[in-house]
Amino acid sequence: NAGVMQNPRHLVRRRGQEARLRCSPVKGHSHVYWYRQLPEEGLKFMVYLQKENIIDESGMPKERFSAEFPKEGPSILRIQQVVRGDSAAYFCASSPGRRTGLTDTQYFGPGTRLTVL
Amino acid sequence: DQQVKQNSPSLSVQEGRISILNCDYTNSMFDYFLWYKKYPAEGPTFLISISSIKDKNEDGRFTVFLNKSAKHLSLHIVPSQPGDSAVYFCAAGGSNYKLTFGKGTLLTVNP
Repeated sequence: NAGVMQNPRHLVRRRGQEARLRCSPVKGHSHVYWYRQLPEEGLKFMVYLQKENIIDESGMPKERFSAEFPKEGPSILRIQQVVRGDSAAYFCASSPGRRTGLTDTQYFGPGTRLTVL
Repeated sequence: DQQVKQNSPSLSVQEGRISILNCDYTNSMFDYFLWYKKYPAEGPTFLISISSIKDKNEDGRFTVFLNKSAKHLSLHIVPSQPGDSAVYFCAAGGSNYKLTFGKGTLLTVNP
């Protein structure tokens, strides 16, 4: 998976707790994306970030969810007051952000599987 | 509103034969397309991509064909191998960088 790292791989939370998911992009990649996959579904875009900036958060629920990609350190997807419906696999991807032959390939991490009890 | 559709949830092929996975899209603003392969409990692995200015791209056993007028693309794997058994996702991208995925096709290659 071209070096995108995510942790933890598995996360169990009780309803009402907070979940923090971390993503370290491929070295040299400045663009980070978060996707969510529900069972039997494809991946759904949540948010697109560059260093210190949220570029597009149109796929992220307005409440309880937030994301950041600080100048130093990994990108964080934070879910406050989790509910059972938040149980899913959350994937992070990164890309160099420049088109090569008019494509910008995103490379994915192994994902964090969140289970809300 | 599903903008990227993979109408076959599953496909079974004999080892050595060709696997053809199909994908349709509705948004004419998409200008590049990618195929990813995914094993259970792992992240998607990039396979091959194609931009809208091309109609074919080949990489080893994998070839992607794009028919813009029909808004259709396909992934050909030949010869198929048992290790190719996985879920294959079609994804589409445009100027806003985010990818829109299909629901995937489970490919099983039988020895």
